[in-house]
Amino acid sequence: QKEVEQDPGPLSVPEGAIVSLNCTYSNSAFQYFMWYRQYSRKGPELLMYTYSSGNKEDGRFTAQVDKSSKYISLFIRDSQPSDSATYLCAMTTGGFKTIFGAGTRLFVKA
Amino acid sequence: SQTIHQWPATLVQPVGSPLSLECTVEGTSNPNLYWYRQAAGRGLQLLFYSVGIGQISSEVPQNLSASRPQDRQFILSSKKLLLSDSGFYLCAWSVGQGGWSGELFFGEGSRLTVL
Repeated sequence: QKEVEQDPGPLSVPEGAIVSLNCTYSNSAFQYFMWYRQYSRKGPELLMYTYSSGNKEDGRFTAQVDKSSKYISLFIRDSQPSDSATYLCAMTTGGFKTIFGAGTRLFVKA
Repeated sequence: SQTIHQWPATLVQPVGSPLSLECTVEGTSNPNLYWYRQAAGRGLQLLFYSVGIGQISSEVPQNLSASRPQDRQFILSSKKLLLSDSGFYLCAWSVGQGGWSGELFFGEGSRLTVL
């Protein structure tokens, strides 16, 4: 079993839709949970991070962590074509090793 | 502001040839440095990380090696490339405070094709 599971998609939605991206994990020691966005042929960039359980909102983006279910989510409201990218979940216990999901490719159609 | 440079951007190499990818960080001191590999449809795999000059930790045993000759320079090398070494290689840095230090800042990546 992989430490982090993420559906690779692709996920195609119309502009303005609410997007839900999810990851599950197996290591209960993970404490920091992150979402990175990666445009084609570019390096990933941090979108949001959450420590432990709970929700965090930043503009159109909301990150949720449910440690009891080992499940994290990223919601994108009012999706835009510029949101088309690969979204990678990532998590760490606090050491140097960050574990990444495979990434979900998102396409937002105008 | 901090910037990270990685080169070359694209590389096509024959099997058995050597490899050298270089990464430099500007605008910060004593960063933690990382090399990741991203294969198609797979997540980023941590290959090496370094907390200081000459200090290299390897996460995955393979025919690759890393070196950190200067504080803000990180080099990924191989003496003889294998077909399985093809992939997208990403250098990253984080603030050097020990333990988890927050955000990873990635370079633009180097796409390696081994033929």
